Amino acid sequence: KAGVTQTPRYLIKTRGQQVTLSCSPISGHRSVSWYQQTPGQGLQFLFEYFSETQRNKGNFPGRFSGRQFSNSRSEMNVSTLELGDSALYLCASSTGVKTNEKLFFGSGTQLSVL
Amino acid sequence: GDSVTQMEGPVTLSEEAFLTINCTYTATGYPSLFWYVQYPGEGLQLLLKATKADDKGSNKGFEATYRKETTSFHLEKGSVQVSDSAVYFCALSDEGSGNTGKLIFGQGTTLQVKP
Repeated sequence: KAGVTQTPRYLIKTRGQQVTLSCSPISGHRSVSWYQQTPGQGLQFLFEYFSETQRNKGNFPGRFSGRQFSNSRSEMNVSTLELGDSALYLCASSTGVKTNEKLFFGSGTQLSVL
Repeated sequence: GDSVTQMEGPVTLSEEAFLTINCTYTATGYPSLFWYVQYPGEGLQLLLKATKADDKGSNKGFEATYRKETTSFHLEKGSVQVSDSAVYFCALSDEGSGNTGKLIFGQGTTLQVKP
């Protein structure tokens, strides 16, 4: 069974640009969550999508957005990039229907903003 | 709000040494607790979990007990190996949100095991 796939693996952008990251969950999983990982702030929850609907959101500005498609693949978009957006962005998938469920993480997209 | 505090690293041990990584939490409800591990260049993997007070999670020689009275979930292993070198994250589920995908993580503790 294929794991969670994130593309691209690395991205370099400049301030003011926008970026789209992609996440393909494990087959059969309907929940995709996104996290930002930085040395200073650690792992912070961005949002979760379940069956194409955002069902929870973290404390990030509106520049961070996401969506989920009917095949459960998810994208997150960051507009008007700032230097502080440089981070490893991780997505995680699960069935989304059980409490305390194990999350399966991808290897992440490393975003550098210059 | 809910939060998780881990001991700061890095932690450097010799092979076969005893490992303890401290984790304490603050939560208004009754969260479930997790330990995730991140190997270099990879995403996080669930190591173990406990869903209620006094539960003990265990996997691959690692153990952690959910202590409600001390709000702690310390990770232990009796004899570490070089292959255990990784970053360890303590986390709790945000049960108040009613979702499964939102976890609150500690800052992570880097473990380096030397031969």
